[in-house]
Amino acid sequence: EPEVTQTPSHQVTQMGQEVILRCVPISNHLYFYWYRQILGQKVEFLVSFYNNEISEKSEIFDDQFSVERPDGSNFTLKIRSTKLEDSAMYFCASSEPAEFYGYTFGSGTRLTVV
Amino acid sequence: AQSVTQPDIHITVSEGASLELRCNYSYGATPYLFWYVQSPGQGLQLLLKYFSGDTLVQGIKGFEAEFKRSQSSFNLRKPSVHWSDAAEYFCAVVYNNDMRFGAGTRLTVKP
Repeated sequence: EPEVTQTPSHQVTQMGQEVILRCVPISNHLYFYWYRQILGQKVEFLVSFYNNEISEKSEIFDDQFSVERPDGSNFTLKIRSTKLEDSAMYFCASSEPAEFYGYTFGSGTRLTVV
Repeated sequence: AQSVTQPDIHITVSEGASLELRCNYSYGATPYLFWYVQSPGQGLQLLLKYFSGDTLVQGIKGFEAEFKRSQSSFNLRKPSVHWSDAAEYFCAVVYNNDMRFGAGTRLTVKP
């Protein structure tokens, strides 16, 4: 069964550093998403991406965040200057628009900012 | 405002007992509805989903959910809980191709 792949599974970074979280969506999917889950809390929407541009973003997705699809397969989330409160699990998801079967989620990247 | 509500933050049931986790939504039209399960430190696993048709949907691990339009609810049920079902359960809705999650219900299973 096709999977969404996220790397790394765990990343530790120093406060103020930039991090890039990587995702490989399912190959025929055209919608891509990032979600965040702070430890013990709900899963929160960050951003959706379609046709090489952001289609919707939440209040959390401020100027320190950016997304990119640098080639035909990767979808990245960049956090420019990490803060302690950015520590969370970050989930990537993808879906196909033609016939909606739901989202497929990756297994997540645990980001720890120290 | 559009929202997904899981009224129960934490539920404890005995192994072998039945389970019902509540989920309510408030959207103008019927969204697509999902239940996900998350074990500690793990990702989100899809249990089941409702798009249209039969309002009682069957999922994996013996779970089922019933969509009730009149109550804007999509409650998750299992007739007999196993210790391995202890986890966090999230209800989610997709409306206009965007998914939003409820706050989650943590399930504890007593021996």
